[in-house]
Amino acid sequence: RKEVEQDPGPFNVPEGATVAFNCTYSNSASQSFFWYRQDCRKEPKLLMSVYSSGNEDGRFTAQLNRASQYISLLIRDSKLSDSATYLCVVNMGTSSNTGKLIFGQGTTLQVKP
Amino acid sequence: NAGVTQTPKFRVLKTGQSMTLLCAQDMNHEYMYWYRQDPGMGLRLIHYSVGEGTTAKGEVPDGYNVSRLKKQNFLLGLESAAPSQTSVYFCASSYGGGAGEETQYFGPGTRLLVL
Repeated sequence: RKEVEQDPGPFNVPEGATVAFNCTYSNSASQSFFWYRQDCRKEPKLLMSVYSSGNEDGRFTAQLNRASQYISLLIRDSKLSDSATYLCVVNMGTSSNTGKLIFGQGTTLQVKP
Repeated sequence: NAGVTQTPKFRVLKTGQSMTLLCAQDMNHEYMYWYRQDPGMGLRLIHYSVGEGTTAKGEVPDGYNVSRLKKQNFLLGLESAAPSQTSVYFCASSYGGGAGEETQYFGPGTRLLVL
């Protein structure tokens, strides 16, 4: 089983749609969770951290379910500019705090006019 | 701030040739990382460093070596390139490794083709 699993998609949605991505992780000791965004042929960039209580940043909402080892990202009112690959990222956490992050393979979103 | 920069942006090598990829960051970050990204595989950690003069192996270290002689630079070396090393290489850095410090900032990537 992969340490971080995502549905690769692609998700094709019309502008204005609401879309949700899910991610599962295997290590129950994982400490920190993130969503990164990667545009085509560009580097990954942090979109948002994911907190236990859930958090929102404009049209984006991230949720964490530790019991089910499950993370989600909800995008409301999709824009053409949201088209990208969304990477689920987990810090497994060790006593040495190496900062090593485990990246999912990404979910591709294509927003169409 | 330039953030994280990588040199070169693109390179073509023949099997058996060697090369060094350079990563530089101007954010005074302690931790630095080298990843490779292949279609369907996601980002995989090659080597990382938790401070000047330190290096450690990641998930896929074979065929690569690294050095961190200066805090701001992290070099990735390929001693004898193989076609399996054709990939996009990303460097990243973070302030630290603990909670709240581990956000990684990436360079623009180096596209390497080994013939």
